[in-house]
Amino acid sequence: AQKITQTQPGMFVQEKEAVTLDCTYDTSDPSYGLFWYKQPSSGEMIFLIYQGSYDQQNATEGRYSLNFQKARKSANLVISASQLGDSAMYFCAMRGAYKYIFGTGTRLKVLA
Amino acid sequence: GAGVSQSPRYKVAKRGRDVALRCDSISGHVTLYWYRQTLGQGSEVLTYSQSDAQRDKSGRPSGRFSAERPERSVSTLKIQRTEQGDSAVYLCASSLLDGGYNEQFFGPGTRLTVL
Repeated sequence: AQKITQTQPGMFVQEKEAVTLDCTYDTSDPSYGLFWYKQPSSGEMIFLIYQGSYDQQNATEGRYSLNFQKARKSANLVISASQLGDSAMYFCAMRGAYKYIFGTGTRLKVLA
Repeated sequence: GAGVSQSPRYKVAKRGRDVALRCDSISGHVTLYWYRQTLGQGSEVLTYSQSDAQRDKSGRPSGRFSAERPERSVSTLKIQRTEQGDSAVYLCASSLLDGGYNEQFFGPGTRLTVL
């Protein structure tokens, strides 16, 4: 069975600091993809970053980077230089054979 | 912009009634997903369809959930005999392709409250 676990229900970070949001996963699929989405109060899920299970390098997209540790089955999101607009819910997701599953999310609050 | 839209944004239904939620996906996108998002439980996929096969795969064991796709970029999620436990945010998402690991674009969701 596939499972995504986000153990941090809420996080605070000071503006301009870096923050790491944790995500661990479990799957028996040999090939899978890992995603992070941001959900602001408006409700839309905004794609941030993707990591394929066979990718050798950690994915990076601007201020977002994914710390992928395959042996530990973790895919933590690192946000550098936090901004007030980063305050939102963040969801880790995994795509296996045909479907996505999501974690329960982490609410990030950036403090001025 | 031409993103994914959903209607209504809010829906209140009496227990036992059927409801229909609409999703207008991005033109040209092949695959369309419906998710149910509940606080503290994350999101689970309910169904997805590919425009070529009009396939509806329900992830829900009860079978009360189904999706119709009358047009390539339109989908309707139908929930039969609603239960209070169906109260949640229902998210629609579409992706350009299926297979592989294609980014999904999400709509703003419909918040359903079953009384």
